[in-house]
Amino acid sequence: DIQMTQSPSSLSASVGDRVTISCRASQRIATYLNWYQQKPGKAPKLLISATSNLQSGVPSRFSGSGSGTDFTLTISTLQPEDFATYYCQENYSTPPMFGQGTKVEIK
Amino acid sequence: EVQLVESGGGLVQPGRSLRLSCAASGFIFDDYAMHWVRQFPGKGLEWVSGISWNSGSIAYADSVKGRFTISRDNAKNSLYLQMDSLRDEDTASYYCAKDREGGRDYTLDVWGQGTTVTVSS
Repeated sequence: DIQMTQSPSSLSASVGDRVTISCRASQRIATYLNWYQQKPGKAPKLLISATSNLQSGVPSRFSGSGSGTDFTLTISTLQPEDFATYYCQENYSTPPMFGQGTKVEIK
Repeated sequence: EVQLVESGGGLVQPGRSLRLSCAASGFIFDDYAMHWVRQFPGKGLEWVSGISWNSGSIAYADSVKGRFTISRDNAKNSLYLQMDSLRDEDTASYYCAKDREGGRDYTLDVWGQGTTVTVSS
């Protein structure tokens, strides 16, 4: 199985900050990388597919980049509704694996 | 509105069985693969099983292989997960999720609200 490692596991940030979350795969996965956002008590929501494709309705302050083994989710200007846990997930192979999550908290 | 609604969770003793259901609406169900994903209490996500649009391709996580069975009824717009020989470590919230493709792409673009399974004596 491919192992997905996110860093940091948590971070504290203020509204307006630029936030970057990293995700590293244990083997090369091209651009088969998705990002999900999960708020407390809610189901995950697909934000970005195929490394950088923003889903319909997702604000443009979210962006994704990377290829191979190293990927990044960036929130350009953090908004109050962005405080949540973010998961990367590879869809290169079976089973698809998720990162352990990055919790974005209010500073 | 695209919607997935899970049901069937509950408290069950180790070794017993439980069947989860997921009712889909708002999209052409038999065009898409479907999946079950679980989330352990306070922790991360684990893909459990997936099934292609026509049930021709099915896969399981090693942790549930031989104990869980995924199935679908396209006439009823429904997805199922039969869970046998349940263990304490199966305690989790179980989500039904829609694939963006008919085969298993594993990009999960719609999720249900989840149903909680607690395995305990």
